[in-house]
This record gives sequence, C-alpha cells and structure tokens, in this order.
Amino acid sequence: GNSVTQMEGPVTLSEEAFLTINCTYTATGYPSLFWYVQYPGEGLQLLLKATKADDKGSNKGFEATYRKETTSFHLEKGSVQVSDSAVYFCALIGGRSNTGKLIFGQGTTLQVKP
Amino acid sequence: KAGVTQTPRYLIKTRGQQVTLSCSPISGHRSVSWYQQTPGQGLQFLFEYFSETQRNKGNFPGRFSGRQFSNSRSEMNVSTLELGDSALYLCASSLVGGWGNEQFFGPGTRLTVL
Repeated sequence: GNSVTQMEGPVTLSEEAFLTINCTYTATGYPSLFWYVQYPGEGLQLLLKATKADDKGSNKGFEATYRKETTSFHLEKGSVQVSDSAVYFCALIGGRSNTGKLIFGQGTTLQVKP
Repeated sequence: KAGVTQTPRYLIKTRGQQVTLSCSPISGHRSVSWYQQTPGQGLQFLFEYFSETQRNKGNFPGRFSGRQFSNSRSEMNVSTLELGDSALYLCASSLVGGWGNEQFFGPGTRLTVL
C-alpha cells in the first residue's frame, strides 16, 4: 500500500541555518504530495504541494521538489527562524484516488534556537 | 473566508460513554475528512464524506461513525469509549477531495477518556 517515510527528529538548528527534512514515499501511479506544518496546540496548516514529477511547491521560503526517480519530496528552507519551530508532516494522496484519504509520515519536529 | 471550525475544542469523557464531535467546513467545500492524531500512531485517516455519502473509510472499529448534512457540516460519533480513544481529532475540508485537492484542517477536538 501507499506510505510516507520522514526523517526522524527532533531537528535542532540555529537561526538562519539551512533546513532539509527528508521525505520519501511509496505509491502506485502519480500521487499528489503535500507538506503540512503543525504549531503547538493547533491543527495542521498546508505549507505547499506538488502534483507531478519535477513540480516545485513553494511557500513562505519553504520549497520541495517532486522527484519521481527517487520517490522523494524533501522540504528545504534557506534560512530558518525561531518562528519556524513546529512539527512538519509530509503526506500524499494516492495517484488513483478519488477520495480525500491523506497518508501522513510520522512527522519531524523542528526546533530553531536564537 | 472563515476557516474550518470544530466544536467542542476540548472534551473529557469516561470509559463506556459516547461522544459526538462537530465540524463545519469552509464555505463551498463539499468534502470533509476526519483524522485521529495520537503520539503513538501519528495521523490516521478515519473517513471521508462527500455530498452526504461516506466515500472512504479507514481501518477503525465500527464504534467510530460519522455523517454529513446537506450543508456539508459533518459529525463524528464514538460509542463505548475506550482509554485508547484519547486523541486529537482533526477535521479537514476540501472543495471536492481526491487527488491534487488541498485539504484545510480545523484546530481539532482534544478528547480525553478517563
């Protein structure tokens, strides 16, 4: 079945450091891929998405590229801020799915220190 | 445009009781999905409703049920509560759901079962 694997956390960085959170997936066909962020005590916010190979999703300085050949969708940001501290989830909807079943990775906690 | 709202935000119940959670989607959205979030199992899909019909169901026991009304508002019900049902229950809405469509999450209902 479809699945998502994220790098284990927590990831601890200093402010202005470069961020990479790895995400790989297993899916048939061409899934649509998403990154969500969850701040303490809140629900999930959509950060970015991509729907086809080589698509780059971007938002608020975060980027991720849909790599079909490596089945990956790694999240990157050039310079993190303390306010980016949160839990990040990679997710997919299966390529043949006509329903809203999001499959999530286990989440990666990011801590940014001033 | 108002976001997804969920009520109540917090709930404390005892084992054996039942509970009903409510979700109001973004205006115009017809798909509503429910997820359970726990520290051990992460984010798991419960079910999705579209135009008052259950379109997909996750791997949860029959104690978990839901419905959707003609105005797209949705409720989920858990009967005969168990300690393991303690979790954050998240609702997400989407225009039509399915591949490529973003899902927007509410703040969640935190259920504690004593």
